[in-house]
Amino acid sequence: EAQVTQNPRYLITVTGKKLTVTCSQNMNHEYMSWYRQDPGLGLRQIYYSMNVEVTDKGDVPEGYKVSRKEKRNFPLILESPSPNQTSLYFCASTRGTSGRYEQYFGPGTRLTVT
Amino acid sequence: DAKTTQPPSMDCAEGRAANLPCNHSTISGNEYVYWYRQIHSQGPQYIIHGLKNNETNEMASLIITEDRKSSTLILPHATLRDTAVYYCIVRVAGMKTSYDKVIFGPGTSLSVIP
Repeated sequence: EAQVTQNPRYLITVTGKKLTVTCSQNMNHEYMSWYRQDPGLGLRQIYYSMNVEVTDKGDVPEGYKVSRKEKRNFPLILESPSPNQTSLYFCASTRGTSGRYEQYFGPGTRLTVT
Repeated sequence: DAKTTQPPSMDCAEGRAANLPCNHSTISGNEYVYWYRQIHSQGPQYIIHGLKNNETNEMASLIITEDRKSSTLILPHATLRDTAVYYCIVRVAGMKTSYDKVIFGPGTSLSVIP
């Protein structure tokens, strides 16, 4: 089954404790993205990746890092989480053939930073 | 800022057609219109996309005006499970060297009423 998986689905952590949210897709997509969703602010893009070793900032990259060492994986790293990073996070991969750029989203990771 | 504007909320009677409008008056010639929906806090789900012709798939129909400045997503027979937030976005396709930041606006919250 074609899918995007994220782990963990729920995480409660404390300020300053480094964490990684994993994202994996099995569709051989080149493009992958991370979003955060907050009440009243909608979905905002954090980082995206056009291919292995190619990443770029989205609209709200501060406080986050990403890496793309393999095509299927795109982990989101919070080196020193803060309470303002409490949010619902979505990973997405994009089918990138000519004329078709629909995104497939993961189930989400709800992060709470205390 | 989002490149699209949508009404914040709409109601639709179960079994009736739901027509969700989207204004994208600044759309460029190489930008496609995409529709997604998000049920509760699940990952957004791709529905349909189009460039200038009307499109139909198993989920919905997309009607794009001739000047491409607006479009309408049609759910022909709305069910309670169609209650969700619907997002209309525009994005460039086919430019592998210039991957657009994807901007989701606040969307339209559709309530299907029994």
